Amino acid sequence: DIVMTQSPDSLAVSLGERATINCQSSQSVFYSSNNKNYLAWYQQKPGQPPKLLIYWASIRESGVPERFSGSGFGTDFTLTISGLQAEDVAVYYCQQYYSSWTFGQGTKVEIK
Amino acid sequence: EVQVLESGGGLVQPGGSLRLSCAASGFIFSSYAMSWVRQTPGKGLEWVSGISGDGDSTYYADSVKGRFTISRDNSKNTLYLQMNSLRVEDTAVYYCAKDPGDHPSWFDDWGQGTLVTVSS
Repeated sequence: DIVMTQSPDSLAVSLGERATINCQSSQSVFYSSNNKNYLAWYQQKPGQPPKLLIYWASIRESGVPERFSGSGFGTDFTLTISGLQAEDVAVYYCQQYYSSWTFGQGTKVEIK
Repeated sequence: EVQVLESGGGLVQPGGSLRLSCAASGFIFSSYAMSWVRQTPGKGLEWVSGISGDGDSTYYADSVKGRFTISRDNSKNTLYLQMNSLRVEDTAVYYCAKDPGDHPSWFDDWGQGTLVTVSS
């Protein structure tokens, strides 16, 4: 199975500042035949199910604020929250769907 | 509006069985793959099983293969997970999740989850 490793496990960011979460896969999740990275990002708030933010590594789901962006290629990916808002406090997960389906361990984002 | 609602969770002894259901509405159920994803405090999110829109293709995590069976009744817009030979480590919140297409990929809508506790 492809192992997804996120860093850091937690981070505290001041309101309005940038939060950066990294996700590394144990093997490439890039499929050359369609030029796509098979990587998604989710946000989970306490007591709620995960919510899809990003798919194909950089495509924002409908309704997701523009301050959320995804980037990366192959085995290294990043979720960036540009201008952290109080409602962004949550745990964030990456997920690969290249080979079976596996999640990262999660990154907790808090307000500094 | 897409809605998925899980039911059937509860307390069961090790070695026992349980069947989870997921009632879906707000979309053409038979056109979309569906999956079960579970969450434990210690292990985070774990994909458990998936099924294609027509039910012909099923997928399982190694941790549940041979013990769990996923199925769907497209006439009732309902997804199922039959769980047999349950183990303590199967204790988790089980989410029903919709895929954006006919094959499992990412998950664009999730239910609120149902808690399964395996304990003697």
